[in-house]
Amino acid sequence: KAGVTQTPRYLIKTRGQQVTLSCSPISGHRSVSWYQQTPGQGLQFLFEYFSETQRNKGNFPGRFSGRQFSNSRSEMNVSTLELGDSALYLCASSLDQGNAEAFFGQGTRLTVV
Amino acid sequence: QQQVKQSPQSLIVQKGGISIINCAYENTAFDYFPWYQQFPGKGPALLIAIRPDVSEKKEGRFTISFNKSAKQFSLHIMDSQPGDSATYFCAASKSSGGYQKVTFGTGTKLQVIP
Repeated sequence: KAGVTQTPRYLIKTRGQQVTLSCSPISGHRSVSWYQQTPGQGLQFLFEYFSETQRNKGNFPGRFSGRQFSNSRSEMNVSTLELGDSALYLCASSLDQGNAEAFFGQGTRLTVV
Repeated sequence: QQQVKQSPQSLIVQKGGISIINCAYENTAFDYFPWYQQFPGKGPALLIAIRPDVSEKKEGRFTISFNKSAKQFSLHIMDSQPGDSATYFCAASKSSGGYQKVTFGTGTKLQVIP
């Protein structure tokens, strides 16, 4: 069974640009959550999608958005990038919403210059 | 009410020693407490988890101890090995239904020295 796949693995963007990250969950998993990981803040919850609907949202500005498709694949978008958005963005999939038995992808390392 | 406090932030243990990482939570509605292990360049991986109806769960060299009244739980790594060097995250969640998100601790960087 394939694991959680995140693309791209690495990304360098300029301040003010926007970026889209992709996540393909484990087959059969319907919930996808996104996290931002930075050395100072640890794992910060961004949002969770289940059945194409955002079910939960963390304390991030509206520049961070996402969506989920009918095949459970998810994308995360960050607009008007700031230097502070540089982080490892992790996607986790689980069978159901709010399920802590989550399986993480390797993440997308975003660097904003 | 959503916080999970984890300590210590970093830990250095001699090979063969016991590594202990502690977490405390506030929300009594949490009913599932997993631990994740993360190696550099990788995403976190589920290591072991416990529900509050038991006080201890052991899997190989890894043991979770759970104290419901104190709202604390801890990870013990027995006979620690250099390969255990990683960052460990505790987490808490309400596992069935509802919309409660998983809350992670801030992480503990473990270094096991030969």
